[in-house]
Amino acid sequence: DAKTTQPTSMDCAEGRAANLPCNHSTISGNEYVYWYRQIHSQGPQYIIHGLKNNETNEMASLIITEDRKSSTLILPHATLRDTAVYYCIVRVYSSNDYKLSFGAGTTVTVRA
Amino acid sequence: EAGVAQSPRYKIIEKRQSVAFWCNPISGHATLYWYQQILGQGPKLLIQFQNNGVVDDSQLPKDRFSAERLKGVDSTLKIQPAKLEDSAVYLCASSFPTGGDTQYFGPGTRLTVL
Repeated sequence: DAKTTQPTSMDCAEGRAANLPCNHSTISGNEYVYWYRQIHSQGPQYIIHGLKNNETNEMASLIITEDRKSSTLILPHATLRDTAVYYCIVRVYSSNDYKLSFGAGTTVTVRA
Repeated sequence: EAGVAQSPRYKIIEKRQSVAFWCNPISGHATLYWYQQILGQGPKLLIQFQNNGVVDDSQLPKDRFSAERLKGVDSTLKIQPAKLEDSAVYLCASSFPTGGDTQYFGPGTRLTVL
């Protein structure tokens, strides 16, 4: 039931910015966009989330388009340790509470 | 701050056997989730607890899966009897105080059913 579309995989060079796109054209006005990543053999790790405005924290920046139909996660200086599967998720309200519905994500490989 | 703890990290069983997984959420987190992650897929929610009550178990295969959170803290997920298709990573997550807040995940338990 994922409401997002992401590329299956992408490569980026160590030290360069990594821009991860996500389409969520059916997002509703009060639904947040969340990003998680999952490094091999670990549980998913929270990165960032946003509603309308662009957001930045110590890990990444999130750019959401004005119509909210797409967003981009930016890792400003990718390192080898950023190699992971990145999930873009629209948080929805169902069955009495908010839910995260994970898709297959984007496998990001950072190359030296 | 300690993260979500899970045990065991790995488990191998034969089909039709039983298995149980344990989760200790982050202190003070009222909401606890169990997810199943099959190889190559994203995690899928099995059950959500708010304190010791079930909020959502609509995706839990109740004929073989059960879960409890008796005192509103630790939780146990059980499979009885296991099938080959239950081979997956079982992830526990917690949030404070509801699903509207960020979920934090444990390392998971990798189950292999032979």
